[in-house]
Amino acid sequence: DAGVIQSPRHEVTEMGQEVTLRCKPISGHDYLFWYRQTMMRGLELLIYFNNNVPIDDSGMPEDRFSAKMPNASFSTLKIQPSEPRDSAVYFCASSFRGGGGETQYFGPGTRLLVL
Amino acid sequence: GENVEQHPSTLSVQEGDSAVIKCTYSDSASNYFPWYKQELGKRPQLIIDIRSNVGEKKDQRIAVTLNKTAKHFSLHITETQPEDSAVYFCAASRDSSYKLIFGSGTRLLVRP
Repeated sequence: DAGVIQSPRHEVTEMGQEVTLRCKPISGHDYLFWYRQTMMRGLELLIYFNNNVPIDDSGMPEDRFSAKMPNASFSTLKIQPSEPRDSAVYFCASSFRGGGGETQYFGPGTRLLVL
Repeated sequence: GENVEQHPSTLSVQEGDSAVIKCTYSDSASNYFPWYKQELGKRPQLIIDIRSNVGEKKDQRIAVTLNKTAKHFSLHITETQPEDSAVYFCAASRDSSYKLIFGSGTRLLVRP
């Protein structure tokens, strides 16, 4: 398995633009998590899905952020409009609930810079 | 709310010495405690985990201990090597949510 795949790996955009981050979880995993990492705030959970259904979006900073999971193999995190304070590394992670396995496997991350 | 505190924020040790990182959690229902290692510019990767029905777990040079009464768990690295230099994160979760609450991270530097 290729592991969790994220795209793009790097994104530079201007304030006010829409940004879409993409994630493909590990095949067979039923949980998908979106995290944001910054020096100031560390690793923050933004939202997570179980079987494509959003379970907890309490970490989504504001209405500018939205996430979808249209099927088991794809998820998007959208920021519209983007602001400089959104600059961070965004990680997607997936896990499989079977057999007591809560291990979350992280993707390589998307490094976002909003100018 | 749920919270995980991690100490120290930075730790510098001589190669061959031991390193200990400590975490405390607030949610008494937490029953799963993983540790992740993140090298510079890379993704966090699981290095060891422990469940609440176990007090200690070892894997070669690393070990984790758990004190449920005190809501405290620790990572121990023995015979440290320069390649152990990284940021280490502790986390906690409960079965009902599978949501990981991360600590703030410890930057470990192993001096050759």
